[in-house]
This record gives sequence, structure tokens and C-alpha cells, in this order.
Amino acid sequence: NAGVTQTPKFQVLKTGQSMTLQCAQDMNHEYMSWYRQDPGMGLRLIHYSVGAGITDQGEVPNGYNVSRSTTEDFPLRLLSAAPSQTSVYFCASRDNLDNYGYTFGSGTRLTVV
Amino acid sequence: GQNIDQPTEMTATEGAIVQINCTYQTSGFNGLFWYQQHAGEAPTFLSYNVLDGLEEKGRFSSFLSRSKGYSYLLLKELQMKDSASYLCAVDRGSTLGRLYFGRGTQLTVWP
Repeated sequence: NAGVTQTPKFQVLKTGQSMTLQCAQDMNHEYMSWYRQDPGMGLRLIHYSVGAGITDQGEVPNGYNVSRSTTEDFPLRLLSAAPSQTSVYFCASRDNLDNYGYTFGSGTRLTVV
Repeated sequence: GQNIDQPTEMTATEGAIVQINCTYQTSGFNGLFWYQQHAGEAPTFLSYNVLDGLEEKGRFSSFLSRSKGYSYLLLKELQMKDSASYLCAVDRGSTLGRLYFGRGTQLTVWP
């Protein structure tokens, strides 16, 4: 099992550009979520999904869209990048029987200039 | 906000014991996690508590009191490699799938 795979690992965008951060898991987990981590702020929930076709907003959803067309994939879209979206982004997954909690991807370091 | 509070920084000596506390709002509680995060890396799972009491796993133990909205992570026989950020996170809401984090406790272990 590869676990949770995030691509790309690094990205530089210009203000106003759009892009999609990819997240895929091969553990058949129901629950997937996206977080951003900024210095001094901890990890904050952006969007989450409780299964294919079902998504909802977290703490800081503005400027981001998600979709969950399959159990495996949960992409995060930045529609018009802003410097305030410079951050490290983590994707995570779990299932409802997993007492070992959420598995995190290795992260995407995004810089918006 | 989610009001998950933990100390910002702690220091300890190699071989010692350290306790990192975490307090949280009790509404919609589905479980509490502790993660370790080294600089530049992803969080890695340490422990999970959903019922009151102590969970022990080698050098690491975690305690939960749901009525008090309180947890702690206990690290014994500290090693230099334990220098990292320790994250308290609560799974909260009407369904699973939403983790809310404290700001993390940066632990430095000195020789």
C-alpha cells in the first residue's frame, strides 16, 4: 500500500493562476480531508469528505474547491491563487474502523508570488 | 475557533519525562489524537483516545478525561530524536472526518 499520495511536492504560482493539488489513497478509506499549515497557526481544516460524492467545508474553505468522484481521489482546487494561500497543504484519510487515526500525505509546499 | 489549547514550547533533558497538556471544548467529541511532527515532515500518528483513561504505547502514553475536556501526552526516557512538534487534535462533529488541531507544542530535548 502506498498510503496517501500527494502531488506535487512543491509548487510556485503567480497571483491569479489556478491549480489542482492531487491527493490519492489506496486504503479504501471513507473519510478524506485537506489541511493547511502556517507558522504559528497549526493545521487548519479546509474541506473534508465523508464518502464519494459528499464534501463539506471546514474552518478555512474560502478560495478552495474540492470534489470526490471516487473513494480514492480528493483533489483540492485553487481557483485564483493569492499570496495568502502560500502554505503547506496536507491531505489525510481514515476509515470508521481505524483506531490508528488519520494517515497524512507528505504535503505540498505552495508559494504564491 | 475550536479552542484546542496546548503550550507553545517545552524543554526537557535526555532521559527525563515530560507531560504535554491539551484542553478542548467537549461538544461533538469523537476522539482525540496526538501526532508528532518533525520540521519539514508530515504529522505521524502517536495515540488515539476515545474513552476516558490512559493508553500506553511503549515510551508514550496518553490520557483523556472527556468530562473535563482534558488530555495529556506523556513521554518517558526522552531521546534527542523526540525533539519535534507535538500536535493535539480533536475529531469533532456529527460525523467522523474532521480533525481540529491545537497550535502544537515544540519540544526540545537537551543532552
